[in-house]
Amino acid sequence: AQSVTQPDIHITVSEGASLELRCNYSYGATPYLFWYVQSPGQGLQLLLKYFSGDTLVQGIKGFEAEFKRSQSSFNLRKPSVHWSDAAEYFCAVGSDSWGKLQFGAGTQVVVTP
Amino acid sequence: GAVVSQHPSWVICKSGTSVKIECRSLDFQATTMFWYRQFPKQSLMLMATSNEGSKATYEQGVEKDKFLINHASLTLSTLTVTSAHPEDSSFYICSATGQGGQPQHFGDGTRLSIL
Repeated sequence: AQSVTQPDIHITVSEGASLELRCNYSYGATPYLFWYVQSPGQGLQLLLKYFSGDTLVQGIKGFEAEFKRSQSSFNLRKPSVHWSDAAEYFCAVGSDSWGKLQFGAGTQVVVTP
Repeated sequence: GAVVSQHPSWVICKSGTSVKIECRSLDFQATTMFWYRQFPKQSLMLMATSNEGSKATYEQGVEKDKFLINHASLTLSTLTVTSAHPEDSSFYICSATGQGGQPQHFGDGTRLSIL
């Protein structure tokens, strides 16, 4: 069975500093990988996705993520965070293009002045 | 593109009533829709998957008779919480995929409060 682990429940980062959110997955084949962001009381917005090809993917809002098969990881990064990046971030994995997703527990990001 | 609208965004009702939540894909045909439940400060829990014109597939532990899902068209799916009780209070989120499959596009969620 596939699973997703986000080791960090909560991260505090200063505005302008870099951010890295960790995501590890367990799946036999090459998974479909996603990062979503959720603001309080809102739905989820897709930041980026990886299906195949270049292992470094660029997303919206200046985010990028790197797929590392050897480490079963898909970490999310941003070079310089903005106060508006404060939110909950979810990593998700799917087994194919059509099926359901398995979500990680989420990482709450707090941005300090 | 790929906008999903969910309505209502917030509903408060008395225990014992039924509540219907709508999920619409505004600019694409949603062949598959998903319904999630989210408790405070927790991740999303998939409740069911629905394909247009077919019966929904419910996850283990989700009561089919409590949470009725209808996906009658390629742009609309509804979740009806029947005879709602306070323990049904939660944040419900829908998502949809188009004919090309992933990714899922999410609605803004519905906060349901049962008094």
